[in-house]
Amino acid sequence: DQQVKQNSPSLSVQEGRISILNCDYTNSMFDYFLWYKKYPAEGPTFLISISSIKDKNEDGRFTVFLNKSAKHLSLHIVPSQPGDSAVYFCAASSGNDMRFGAGTRLTVKP
Amino acid sequence: NAGVTQTPKFQVLKTGQSMTLQCAQDMNHEYMSWYRQDPGMGLRLIHYSVGAGITDQGEVPNGYNVSRSTTEDFPLRLLSAAPSQTSVYFCASSYSASGLADTQYFGPGTRLTVL
Repeated sequence: DQQVKQNSPSLSVQEGRISILNCDYTNSMFDYFLWYKKYPAEGPTFLISISSIKDKNEDGRFTVFLNKSAKHLSLHIVPSQPGDSAVYFCAASSGNDMRFGAGTRLTVKP
Repeated sequence: NAGVTQTPKFQVLKTGQSMTLQCAQDMNHEYMSWYRQDPGMGLRLIHYSVGAGITDQGEVPNGYNVSRSTTEDFPLRLLSAAPSQTSVYFCASSYSASGLADTQYFGPGTRLTVL
């Protein structure tokens, strides 16, 4: 069973606009959430994280929002840049259990 | 710092063959893990280790063995490869033994095909 879901396989946005990537989870025991970015032929790299005690975390152009009641988190990238084009994975953890979503491919057009 | 290194980058096996995927990190991280990535499935945790001599199973451990004799190395063994093990394998490490709540650093991956 997929406990973490990214329902949009792909997203295309114009350079300078906002990119919003969404993630839903089913397990209420998850207490830490992360976003990873992956370029082709490379391993994922950590982008930003949020604890379940917070509802927002910001790092430069990247902001993650957590809505615990809806079991939903989102990643906002403002402004989007062509170098942001990559696959973005949402992940959720509880103790030693970590689950990843299937990823969303973001394309930022110049 | 080389970070997390994995060898080989590519491997083709026949059904029933065995092999070991190598993973090493030079960051003195306690926590190391192995994931597989399949199309439409994201990354799934195979095995993990919270320190030398300590390993445990993740979400999809069947068909794989691991050991952790040193802090630096965490090899993944396929004893009898099956076509269902065709995948891209990633090794990761993080500083804290709490592992998953910390930033994980991933290797570049090994693309394995089992015929």
